[in-house]
Amino acid sequence: GAVVSQHPSWVICKSGTSVKIECRSLDFQATTMFWYRQFPKQSLMLMATSNEGSKATYEQGVEKDKFLINHASLTLSTLTVTSAHPEDSSFYICSARDSAGPDTQYFGPGTRLTVL
Amino acid sequence: GESVGLHLPTLSVQEGDNSIINCAYSNSASDYFIWYKQESGKGPQFIIDIRSNMDKRQGQRVTVLLNKTVKHLSLQIAATQPGDSAVYFCAENPNFGNEKLTFGTGTRLTIIP
Repeated sequence: GAVVSQHPSWVICKSGTSVKIECRSLDFQATTMFWYRQFPKQSLMLMATSNEGSKATYEQGVEKDKFLINHASLTLSTLTVTSAHPEDSSFYICSARDSAGPDTQYFGPGTRLTVL
Repeated sequence: GESVGLHLPTLSVQEGDNSIINCAYSNSASDYFIWYKQESGKGPQFIIDIRSNMDKRQGQRVTVLLNKTVKHLSLQIAATQPGDSAVYFCAENPNFGNEKLTFGTGTRLTIIP
């Protein structure tokens, strides 16, 4: 149980294009999902908290117009990197918290974004 | 500000031996702690958690110890195996509920065959 998937697992795009990353909780409902960014050999940096049916809460320094988050259902949150640039290249990881379970966050496998 | 830090960035352990990974936290209000394992190119994997009303919790080959007096958390892995090689993160949650996790810097554990 407590499986979280992400799609795609990796993506390469040209500078200026937009990329959408999906995060799904496969066997539980998640009122709250989280989006993280991780640079090589560094820890996870929380970007935003995604709340089902309401606006996401962004961490300080994260541009909400650049990183669009939509949490339209209890099992799906999407992160769209708009007008991507090479500095947006990173490992993006989502996590989900089981609405009916303990407070543990379960993580997806991550999405490697490379912007050329 | 509040922070979660690890004492050692790298740790090498002989296969079969026990390993201990340490973590210091500074937020005295934190009441929930989690250890995650992250292998290269993958997302963090939940290992074990502990709430602040406990001092010790055991899982399969893993034990988490919490010392609230000195704000210290440790992860013990017994009889280490090559598959235990990974980066281990501790994370704290200041309050129950939808609060975000604060992650430590991570410790890379290498199991020597």
